Amino acid sequence: TQLLEQSPQFLSIQEGENLTVYCNSSSVFSSLQWYRQEPGEGPVLLVTVVTGGEVKKLKRLTFQFGDARKDSSLHITAAQTGDTGLYLCAGRGSTLGRLYFGRGTQLTVWP
Amino acid sequence: ETGVTQSPTHLIKTRGQQVTLRCSSQSGHNTVSWYQQALGQGPQFIFQYYREEENGRGNFPPRFSGLQFPNYSSELNVNALELDDSALYLCASSLEFEGLGYTFGSGTRLTVV
Repeated sequence: TQLLEQSPQFLSIQEGENLTVYCNSSSVFSSLQWYRQEPGEGPVLLVTVVTGGEVKKLKRLTFQFGDARKDSSLHITAAQTGDTGLYLCAGRGSTLGRLYFGRGTQLTVWP
Repeated sequence: ETGVTQSPTHLIKTRGQQVTLRCSSQSGHNTVSWYQQALGQGPQFIFQYYREEENGRGNFPPRFSGLQFPNYSSELNVNALELDDSALYLCASSLEFEGLGYTFGSGTRLTVV
């Protein structure tokens, strides 16, 4: 059973389109992280959100942490082919440094 | 500043054998975590080491064990390999066990036949 549910599981769009990926849970997390993973590589940290309601922007990527610290979203504006990859959300529990990962959203951006 | 390095990158083992995977943490990081990522799944937490001691473990059997050395590098050992152990094994390092940012290695792809 996944503690974090990500949707959609797969997303295939044209370059220039906007998209949103969701990460939902019934559990509260002390922080939530988003990673991007490419084939044959480990996940690379994109952002950490800590405060409920927090919004962080990283160029064309906008991350939001839900008010109750149970869910998050990632919005990409004007997607580029270089955005292709597996996007993973991971929640950190209140103890230890353990991360609970979602199953990921596989994004493919076509030229 | 070097990142997290893992070795080997690929490995094929036979069911019932034992395997040791290695991880060098990022410079300055003192906490190492190991994750298993099966095909099409997100990484699953195996265990974490801080100052050479295991301080957290996920839902994995005792045949998964580990070590952390004084230089903060780490090993993951898996005994009595099963076909379901085939996965990408990821090592992540951070500063202090409550770190907000984790640096992952590229992983070791283990195939059990």
